[in-house]
Formats: sequence, structure tokens, C-alpha cells
Amino acid sequence: DAGVIQSPRHEVTEMGQEVTLRCKPISGHDYLFWYRQTMMRGLELLIYFNNNVPIDDSGMPEDRFSAKMPNASFSTLKIQPSEPRDSAVYFCASSLQGALPGAKNIQYFGAGTRLSVL
Amino acid sequence: AQKVTQAQTEISVVEKEDVTLDCVYETRDTTYYLFWYKQPPSGELVFLIRRNSFDEQNEISGRYSWNFQKSTSSFNFTITASQVVDSAVYFCALSEARGNEKLTFGTGTRLTIIP
Repeated sequence: DAGVIQSPRHEVTEMGQEVTLRCKPISGHDYLFWYRQTMMRGLELLIYFNNNVPIDDSGMPEDRFSAKMPNASFSTLKIQPSEPRDSAVYFCASSLQGALPGAKNIQYFGAGTRLSVL
Repeated sequence: AQKVTQAQTEISVVEKEDVTLDCVYETRDTTYYLFWYKQPPSGELVFLIRRNSFDEQNEISGRYSWNFQKSTSSFNFTITASQVVDSAVYFCALSEARGNEKLTFGTGTRLTIIP
């Protein structure tokens, strides 16, 4: 089975440009998470969805960041306009909260998108 | 508020030595989950283990073992007979078990296995 798929793997852009990161969760999973990893702040949760509905976006740094999940198999994280301090690795993760033993509450991560804003 | 502390920032050991990575957590919840993830140099985050707060049995998986002690709020990870492929950053994480699956991560321990 395919894992969480993120694209692109690397993104280099100039300050002020719009950046869109994409994520395809594991099929059948009902939770989707966006994390950001930096040297200074470590791994921090930005936002998460349950059944395509945003549940908690308190980690989104500011209005320049937005996330959507139009359907169960796709999510985007958009930064507009981008700034150099947004440079980080962005991870998407998904999980299944269901009745299957062992399946519940384990987040599986994508390979990440390394974003560099010049 | 939840908190996970990994006091060891970096550890280096010679190959075949045993090594233990420490994790201490804080939570007000009586029901919670603890995790370990591995981040190899390639950058992805790999799930290793999940433990719920009601299960204090230690677990062994090959060269890996985990020691969960509720009395000291610790969930330590031991690698026996370490190998170069074990070199990675290891993260301990905590989540509530109320249907809210937010993970709180520690700052990670960078483990280097010296050949």
C-alpha cells in the first residue's frame, strides 16, 4: 500500500511568491495533519483535519498560511506571500481512528517537502 | 499542557554497544499514548512504537526495547548491539486519548553510531 505522498519534495522560491504544498493521505485514513520542522522550533503541528473538516488550526503561524482538504484523498497547505522565515521541512501525516486493533491513533508521515524561500 | 522532554541532544556510541534514549513526559490526562519515531538522514519520519497509558509492559522488537514507567513518567528506548544503520534522530511523542490525536513531540536525540 502507498504511504502518505507529498509533493513537491523540494521547493525553492523567492520571497513574496505563493507556495502550495500537496498531500495525499493513506487511503481510508480519516485524520490528516500538517507539521513544520525547523532547527529552532523542532516539530510543530500547524493544523489537522478530521473527515476533511479542519479541527484545530491554532498552530498556523499567521494569516499567510492556509490549508484545505477538499476531499478525503487530497490536502494543500498554501503560503501567500512566502517569507524567508517560512523555510522549513513541511510534513503531512495521516491516521485512522477506527475499530481495527492497532490502527488507531498512529500517525504515518510523508517524506516531507523541503521549502527554501530566498 | 502536555510536554515531552528528551534531555539528550546528541549521543555517539561505537558500533555494537547498547544505547538508551531517554524520554520524560508531562500530561494531566489519565489516558494517553506515547510514541517513538525515527528520522534517518534521508529525512522521513518512521513510526517505531505506540504504547497506551494502561499498558506498562515493556516491549521488545528485535534489537529494540522500550521501558515504560508511569511512576517516573518515562518512556525510554534501548537499542542493543547498535549498528550504523541506527544512526538517526529519534523523537518521543505524546498524544491524548480523547479522540484528539494531536502529537506533542520532544526535541529529538541525534544518535550517531561510530563504525
